[in-house]
Amino acid sequence: SQQGEEDPQALSIQEGENATMNCSYKTSINNLQWYRQNSGRGLVHLILIRSNEREKHSGRLRVTLDTSKKSSSLLITASRAADTASYFCATDSGSRLTFGEGTQLTVNP
Amino acid sequence: GAVVSQHPSRVICKSGTSVKIECRSLDFQATTMFWYRQFPKQSLMLMATSNEGSKATYEQGVEKDKFLINHASLTLSTLTVTSAHPEDSSFYICSARDLGGDEQYFGPGTRLTVT
Repeated sequence: SQQGEEDPQALSIQEGENATMNCSYKTSINNLQWYRQNSGRGLVHLILIRSNEREKHSGRLRVTLDTSKKSSSLLITASRAADTASYFCATDSGSRLTFGEGTQLTVNP
Repeated sequence: GAVVSQHPSRVICKSGTSVKIECRSLDFQATTMFWYRQFPKQSLMLMATSNEGSKATYEQGVEKDKFLINHASLTLSTLTVTSAHPEDSSFYICSARDLGGDEQYFGPGTRLTVT
């Protein structure tokens, strides 16, 4: 069963604005990962944050992890039209990844 | 970086036939491979986990006799959809994890359409 829940389900912003997506989960994890998927395409791995980390940066991406609240957020700064895609969080229990429902991000030029 | 390939990328088959999808790790040895299914506008659902040389572990609700998984080598896993029906039409994605690694490397997916 899916244990990751993401909000919002859909997000529409203007180019240049920041986009924040949230992910909540229910069980213990080794790490949490964020992926991007363009329509009809495969997954692109964005960032992995381990359970003992609180924040991680990669370019315009910033991920936070709060294990006490069992939640994570993905912030994309200075968004571009090319960032339009579905974004999924996935929790890694050590033996498997469990994906959230995803957030559909639309960045309007 | 680690690369996983899938073949074919798209396949159309008639109802009742079987289809085989290959997943290969190109530059690393994958001790564990995973098969996911994704319906339109939905998330990825894990179907099964396979370890090289042993039987696959299927998720609840996934018919092992319908979705045959073979992980015969450290670089190749295959998923065979037997007696396919239109409701099996979906996007099938594999991933592979190397020994001791945290990350799963995903293939580009296979779009199956059953007519």
